[in-house]
Amino acid sequence: DTAVSQTPKYLVTQMGNDKSIKCEQNLGHDTMYWYKQDSKKFLKIMFSYNNKELIINETVPNRFSPKSPDKAHLNLHINSLELGDSAVYFCASSQDGRSNQPQHFGDGTRLSIL
Amino acid sequence: GDSVTQMEGPVTLSEEAFLTINCTYTATGYPSLFWYVQYPGEGLQLLLKATKADDKGSNKGFEATYRKETTSFHLEKGSVQVSDSAVYFCALSEDSSYKLIFGSGTRLLVRP
Repeated sequence: DTAVSQTPKYLVTQMGNDKSIKCEQNLGHDTMYWYKQDSKKFLKIMFSYNNKELIINETVPNRFSPKSPDKAHLNLHINSLELGDSAVYFCASSQDGRSNQPQHFGDGTRLSIL
Repeated sequence: GDSVTQMEGPVTLSEEAFLTINCTYTATGYPSLFWYVQYPGEGLQLLLKATKADDKGSNKGFEATYRKETTSFHLEKGSVQVSDSAVYFCALSEDSSYKLIFGSGTRLLVRP
């Protein structure tokens, strides 16, 4: 069973479109995250949620809107896609927000903007 | 702010060679430290962690020791295999920060 699963794995779309990425974890964790990995493999936090509540919004444009319907799901909706949004987006979860808890990552969603 | 610095890659080694990937960090508090590995086309997998000074994390022949005096967490393996070829990320997390701060990643290529 996949612990953290994201869909879709690949997303190819045109500039200006709106798209969503879904994430689900079956680990019973309280905390979920979205990270962005750019073309140079650099990873940066975008959002953190704890028990469905937003904890971190790391200066992400408001075109990006996360939604957590329950603590097992954290979806990412992106409006008016731009070329610079092309990246791999990773969902992750951890037991809670304590620093010693490792984060478990999904396989990523590769977003390509034409 | 907090940051992690890793040696630039790629690192190219022959099978059975000794591996060291350097990692140093800057943090305001007492972070936990992690190494993650990313195989091609996959997500990140936790390789090992250490949560306080002088702790040694180990897994699958890889080791790293949390050195507070040198703010380092270097990754080592005594004998690498072709299957170890991947990108390795050093990361830290401060308490109640709700995020990992990553280094830039180091690509390892092991040749038969």
